[in-house]
Amino acid sequence: ETGVTQTPRHLVMGMTNKKSLKCEQHLGHNAMYWYKQSAKKPLELMFVYNFKEQTENNSVPSRFSPECPNSSHLFLHLHTLQPEDSALYLCASSPPNDRRPFFGPGTRLTVL
Amino acid sequence: GQQLNQSPQSMFIQEGEDVSMNCTSSSIFNTWLWYKQDPGEGPVLLIALYKAGELTSNGRLTAQFGITRKDSFLNISASIPSDVGIYFCAGSKEAQKLVFGQGTRLTINP
Repeated sequence: ETGVTQTPRHLVMGMTNKKSLKCEQHLGHNAMYWYKQSAKKPLELMFVYNFKEQTENNSVPSRFSPECPNSSHLFLHLHTLQPEDSALYLCASSPPNDRRPFFGPGTRLTVL
Repeated sequence: GQQLNQSPQSMFIQEGEDVSMNCTSSSIFNTWLWYKQDPGEGPVLLIALYKAGELTSNGRLTAQFGITRKDSFLNISASIPSDVGIYFCAGSKEAQKLVFGQGTRLTINP
């Protein structure tokens, strides 16, 4: 595997479910990101991790819970989501303090 | 929060035509990036700009960092079918905090 991989690529969940999105990067980067891409809205930065430490939380609701166990892996734990949370969730990575995130293919999430 | 105004929102052109799109901001940025996103994929970086006035090319693509630091444009020359997709501009003042435009959807008629 090369680049940034995300699993699953598609996820449908009910509002009472708990699920997790997984991201793995094979680029040797030390910064990882979660972005949300909703229809007809710009990409929104959600979280930033540097060397496993969260350095940015862009006022994201607590029903989204990130986890970064090491510099290569990033998770987004989801619980009690709302239909308006349906979106493409993109993971990205970069060297620390680099301004050019490298994106994965995304997880298309649908909340029923 | 910061917003970027990207235009046009969509373009319908003939193969072989040149394309031009731009982004403007009410704030000054010190980095401008241009990405392309294909259906079902994440954005892919095309060009990065770091200095006011900088003009950078990547094959048939050329982008410029505006002198005022509040705008950037992307040109595509002699468009081909694989240029179809959504193009995003992104700007930042601080590392790791990008603000994205709404995207320009490019459609090419053969």
